[in-house]
Amino acid sequence: EDQVTQSPEALRLQEGESSSLNCSYTVSGLRGLFWYRQDPGKGPEFLFTLYSAGEEKEKERLKATLTKKESFLHITAPKPEDSATYLCAVQGVQGAQKLVFGQGTRLTINP
Amino acid sequence: DTGVSQDPRHKITKRGQNVTFRCDPISEHNRLYWYRQTLGQGPEFLTYFQNEAQLEKSRLLSDRFSAERPKGSFSTLEIQRTEQGDSAMYLCASSLGQGLDNSPLHFGNGTRLTVT
Repeated sequence: EDQVTQSPEALRLQEGESSSLNCSYTVSGLRGLFWYRQDPGKGPEFLFTLYSAGEEKEKERLKATLTKKESFLHITAPKPEDSATYLCAVQGVQGAQKLVFGQGTRLTINP
Repeated sequence: DTGVSQDPRHKITKRGQNVTFRCDPISEHNRLYWYRQTLGQGPEFLTYFQNEAQLEKSRLLSDRFSAERPKGSFSTLEIQRTEQGDSAMYLCASSLGQGLDNSPLHFGNGTRLTVT
C-alpha cells in the first residue's frame, strides 16, 4: 500500500530563516509526487508535480526536489505569508487516479 | 476559471440524519474527486468520476455514502444515517485528463460537517 510520511509535523522559523520540509514515500511505481499548500479553512492549493528522481521545480521562495525515496520542499528566506500547512502526495501505478497524502507540515514564519 | 465550488461551506446535523453536499468543478474538467480530511491529517481519497462514470471507490466509502455525477458536470455526495465519526471536511477536486496522465487536482474549499 502506498504511504507518505512528512516531517516535521510543525516548524516555526523566523522571517528570512531558510529550511527544508521532508516527505518520505513508499509507492508501487511512482507516477507523480505532488506538493500542495493549505491555508486554514481552505482547500489545498497546487504547487508542484515531480515525476522522476533528480527532478527539481522552483516557484518564488520554494524549491521542490525528488529522490527515489523522498522529496524535499526547500524554503529560502521565508516571509510571514508563507505560513501554511504544506502537504505532499503521491500517485502510484496501482492507485489509478488516487492521491495518497501525508499528514502535512504546519509551517509558521514569525516576523 | 472560477475554481471548484462547494456548497454548503458548513453543515451541522444531528446523528442519524442524512446530509447532501454539492460540488461544481471547473467547467472544462472531466474528472472529479471527493476526499475527506480530519483535523491534523492529510486528505483521504473517497471516490473518483471520469465524466459521469464512477470509476474508483475507497474502502473508506461505506454503504452509507453515495456519490453521483449525473450529467458529468456537478456532483453530489450523500451521507445517510450520519455518525459522529463522519465529522470532517469534505473536499471536492477536479482535473482535466485522459488515460494515465496525472494532471494536478484543483480543490474547492470544502464542506465542514459536524455531527452532534
